[in-house]
Amino acid sequence: KAGVTQTPRYLIKTRGQQVTLSCSPISGHRSVSWYQQTPGQGLQFLFEYFSETQRNKGNFPGRFSGRQFSNSRSEMNVSTLELGDSALYLCASSLEGSVAGELFFGEGSRLTVL
Amino acid sequence: DAKTTQPPSMDCAEGRAANLPCNHSTISGNEYVYWYRQIHSQGPQYIIHGLKNNETNEMASLIITEDRKSSTLILPHATLRDTAVYYCIVRYPPEVTGNQFYFGTGTSLTVIP
Repeated sequence: KAGVTQTPRYLIKTRGQQVTLSCSPISGHRSVSWYQQTPGQGLQFLFEYFSETQRNKGNFPGRFSGRQFSNSRSEMNVSTLELGDSALYLCASSLEGSVAGELFFGEGSRLTVL
Repeated sequence: DAKTTQPPSMDCAEGRAANLPCNHSTISGNEYVYWYRQIHSQGPQYIIHGLKNNETNEMASLIITEDRKSSTLILPHATLRDTAVYYCIVRYPPEVTGNQFYFGTGTSLTVIP
């Protein structure tokens, strides 16, 4: 079974630009969550999508948005990029109904904002 | 979700048991204890979870105190590949609050040859 796939793995943008990151969950997983990881703030929850609906949202500004498609694939978008948005963005999928609530993470997309 | 406290770093000799403590004194009755780890430059990996009873799987054992205010993750025979940051997370099950996890700063475990 293929794992969680994130694209692109690395990207460089400049301040003011926008970026779109993609995540393909494990087949059969309908919950997709996004996390931001920086050296200063650690791993922080961005949002979670389930059945094309945002189910939970972390404490991030409105520049951070996401969506989920009918095939459970998800994208997140960051508009008007700031230097502080440089981070590793991690996507995780989960099998709904699992008591464990186990998250399966991808390798991440490393964004550098210049 | 209840707050957790973990030591920032620990060392363990290769082949010995690694015991990683976690304090969660404000845990409520319905909150589970989860452990994840993150090897450098990779996404976090699920290790184990529990509610009240001690749990064991192929990776580790989880010991939860009777009052549930603390727990210990045990890696029985640590290898160099176990060098990672270990996160202890306390949260309600997914059917209550969804799948968001709040990771703290974790414990950086270094396994020494």
